[in-house]
Amino acid sequence: KAGVTQTPRYLIKTRGQQVTLSCSPISGHRSVSWYQQTPGQGLQFLFEYFSETQRNKGNFPGRFSGRQFSNSRSEMNVSTLELGDSALYLCASSLTGASGNTIYFGEGSWLTVV
Amino acid sequence: DAKTTQPNSMESNEEEPVHLPCNHSTISGTDYIHWYRQLPSQGPEYVIHGLTSNVNNRMASLAIAEDRKSSTLILHRATLRDAAVYYCILSQGGTSYGKLTFGQGTILTVHP
Repeated sequence: KAGVTQTPRYLIKTRGQQVTLSCSPISGHRSVSWYQQTPGQGLQFLFEYFSETQRNKGNFPGRFSGRQFSNSRSEMNVSTLELGDSALYLCASSLTGASGNTIYFGEGSWLTVV
Repeated sequence: DAKTTQPNSMESNEEEPVHLPCNHSTISGTDYIHWYRQLPSQGPEYVIHGLTSNVNNRMASLAIAEDRKSSTLILHRATLRDAAVYYCILSQGGTSYGKLTFGQGTILTVHP
């Protein structure tokens, strides 16, 4: 079956702009998580959604937001982009998000802020 | 979040077994032990996970110490495609939905 799909794969934005990234989870998976990966900070958890509700949130400023739709697809938005937001943004899905679930990651969206 | 400790790097030869250790002395009873690996410019790939008993799948084996304070990921015959960063992660029960706390991982180099 199809894996986690993220779009776009690569994008370049200018400081101050906003960006929206999209994620389609594995069919049947209702939990979607987002992560940011940078060389300096490694992989960091942003937030998790289940049944259109945010259940868990990492330590990121309010410029980072997300949402989930009734079909479990999710989007994340970063407003007022800063140079430090340049990163690989990863989406992951699992059946319910419970600790024993296997979490599957997408290939990521590479964001460059100039 | 409960922490894990892994060696920064390890090396192996192709076709040989690899044992990747992980210490997690503060693990709680409901924490699952997950292993992921990541190749450059790719998302993390699930390898294996377990709670108390040893686990086997087509990719690897996970050996969990009786006191659960450490575990070992075993790749039975390393190939060049196994060269990656390996992450040992504890996923906590309760309200840590969908959250994995990644450390620095172990960089595995496989020599032909």
